[in-house]
Amino acid sequence: ETGVTQTPRHLVMGMTNKKSLKCEQHLGHNAMYWYKQSAKKPLELMFVYNFKEQTENNSVPSRFSPECPNSSHLFLHLHTLQPEDSALYLCASSQETDFYNSPLHFGNGTRLTVT
Amino acid sequence: DQQVKQNSPSLSVQEGRISILNCDYTNSMFDYFLWYKKYPAEGPTFLISISSIKDKNEDGRFTVFLNKSAKHLSLHIVPSQPGDSAVYFCAASEGISGTYKYIFGTGTRLKVLA
Repeated sequence: ETGVTQTPRHLVMGMTNKKSLKCEQHLGHNAMYWYKQSAKKPLELMFVYNFKEQTENNSVPSRFSPECPNSSHLFLHLHTLQPEDSALYLCASSQETDFYNSPLHFGNGTRLTVT
Repeated sequence: DQQVKQNSPSLSVQEGRISILNCDYTNSMFDYFLWYKKYPAEGPTFLISISSIKDKNEDGRFTVFLNKSAKHLSLHIVPSQPGDSAVYFCAASEGISGTYKYIFGTGTRLKVLA
């Protein structure tokens, strides 16, 4: 397994459900990100973790809760979501110590539908 | 307010010709710019980048041009191939400030016609 892997690829959940998105990177990077892509909108940065510490929370509602147990794994825990939260959720990683030579590497995303 | 703008949502180009994708930004503190390509059902993949100390970077068929005074960058693909058909995103960041906050545009869908 190489690159950035996200599971599940598709998720349908009700507004009262609790679910988690998982991301794993096999690139030896030390920074991991969650991005949200909604239709006709730019990719929106949600969270950044550098060396397992959260360094960015881009005004994300508390119904989204990230967890980074180590530099290879990142989770996004979801609870009491709204239909407008339906989107493609992308995980990415990069090497913080070599910023100008380490662009973001993305996973294939989780397509989330909230009913 | 969008700091990175791609004003053309779509572009069609004949195979073998040049594709030019444009991107404008408003934040003069941005010093690192990237282009990504995205196929349906896949995540964006990195194409090419440029830092603000340069005005051109070339990698095979792909060249990125940066005009700092106009706050404008462009991606040239030559010659265009049908496999280049995808959505292209530009992104910018204030790398020198130590933040890792990439700001993306809304994307341009390129269609290369055979």
